[in-house]
Amino acid sequence: GENVEQHPSTLSVQEGDSAVIKCTYSDSASNYFPWYKQELGKRPQLIIDIRSNVGEKKDQRIAVTLNKTAKHFSLHITETQPEDSAVYFCAASLAGGTSYGKLTFGQGTILTVHP
Amino acid sequence: AAGVIQSPRHLIKEKRETATLKCYPIPRHDTVYWYQQGPGQDPQFLISFYEKMQSDKGSIPDRFSAQQFSDYHSELNMSSLELGDSALYFCASSRSGPLYEQYFGPGTRLTVT
Repeated sequence: GENVEQHPSTLSVQEGDSAVIKCTYSDSASNYFPWYKQELGKRPQLIIDIRSNVGEKKDQRIAVTLNKTAKHFSLHITETQPEDSAVYFCAASLAGGTSYGKLTFGQGTILTVHP
Repeated sequence: AAGVIQSPRHLIKEKRETATLKCYPIPRHDTVYWYQQGPGQDPQFLISFYEKMQSDKGSIPDRFSAQQFSDYHSELNMSSLELGDSALYFCASSRSGPLYEQYFGPGTRLTVT
């Protein structure tokens, strides 16, 4: 089955700096890659996603890049703010065949933004 | 905008008891997914349903079963509860087609004592 590795496990930045979180996946057939933000005890919130026919997607301060050949994708947050502090999860999904969109998550990155 | 609804939000059970978790997807969403998240862990896929049929199965114990009803809500039934079943259980829903975004409910925190 699919395996997703996420790095780093913790990331500490100063307010205004950029943050980058990287993920690799094992199944080259995976074609959907969402990112979720989760605050303690709360639900995972979808913040951005990318599909395999696109190399990059941006939404205000957040961007995601996908390299299908290398099987890795990254989350970029610019101008970080204290409210960006949370756990971030990447995920991969395979659509088609016997799979129907189940998400395989990375291990998570604890992002701390210091004022 | 309407979100995924889960009930109950908190549940305390003793070992060997049974529990039923309910999920009401976003209107017009016909696919439901169940995930289990232990403390400090990433969410683990349990099972999913599309148009009331089981569409995929993950690491769900045989003691657990689930179904999706005609109104698209779903229930996760857990029997012979063990201490290790203590976790956050999330339901997520999406529209038709597996490439549509999955939106998570607030979760049910199950504590087994």
